Amino acid sequence: QVQLVQSGAEVQKPGASVKVSCKTSGYTFTSHYIHWVRQAPGQGLEWLGTINPSDARKGHAQKIQDRLTMTRDTSTNTVYMELSSLRSEDTAVYYCAREERDQLLMHWGQGTLVIVSS
Amino acid sequence: DIVMTQSPGSLAVSLGERATINCKSSQSLLYSSNNKNYLGWFRQKPGQPPQLVIYWASTRQSGVPARFSGSGSGTDFTLTIDSLQAEDVAVYYCQQYYTTPPTFGQGTKVEIK
Repeated sequence: QVQLVQSGAEVQKPGASVKVSCKTSGYTFTSHYIHWVRQAPGQGLEWLGTINPSDARKGHAQKIQDRLTMTRDTSTNTVYMELSSLRSEDTAVYYCAREERDQLLMHWGQGTLVIVSS
Repeated sequence: DIVMTQSPGSLAVSLGERATINCKSSQSLLYSSNNKNYLGWFRQKPGQPPQLVIYWASTRQSGVPARFSGSGSGTDFTLTIDSLQAEDVAVYYCQQYYTTPPTFGQGTKVEIK
C-alpha cells in the first residue's frame, strides 16, 4: 500500500535551516507529484509547494518560494523539503502528501513537527 | 488565489443526528471540459494528518463510511454526516484543487452535543 514516512521532529534556532524527508513506498515514485503542506499550532492547512519526482520540476507558494527548496532522490524514493532563514512563525507540523492527479492529495505522511525557538 | 470559506466554524451534534458543513469558493470549481468539481473534503483528528473523505465534490474515498456524503457544484458545496458517531469528532476542511495554489477552508470543528 502507499506509504509516506517522514523524518522526526526538529528544533531549530531563528535564522537556521531545517530539512525534512518524506520516504515513499508502495507505488511508482516518478508517477505522482509530492506536495508539502504545513499547519501551525491550532491553525489551518497551508500549501507550500510541489515537486514532480520524475523531472524535479517544482511549484511554490509565493510567500515562501525564496526560502523553500524541494529535492528528490530517485534511488531511495525520497523527497526532501528544506526551509531556510527560519522564523518563529515557521513553527508548524509539516506534511508531505502524494497527489493522485490534478492536485488531489490522497495520501499523507504522518507529519513532522518543526519548532523554531531561540 | 481562490478563497475557501467554511461555515459554521464549529458545531455540536447529538449522536445519531446529522451534521452539515458548508464550503463556498471565491470562484467556480467546475471544470467544463470534464464536468468535474475540483473540491475535496478532509477529516483531521487530533494529532493525525488530514484524511481524504470526499473528492470530486461527491465521490467517497475508499473505506469511508456511507454516512459521509458530499454535494454541490460551482461555488457552493456541502459535507453531510448522517447519524453522527463518536469517531466522527474531528475538524473538517474543504480544499479546492482547481488551480494552483490549492487552498483550504479554515476548518469546521465537529463535536458531540
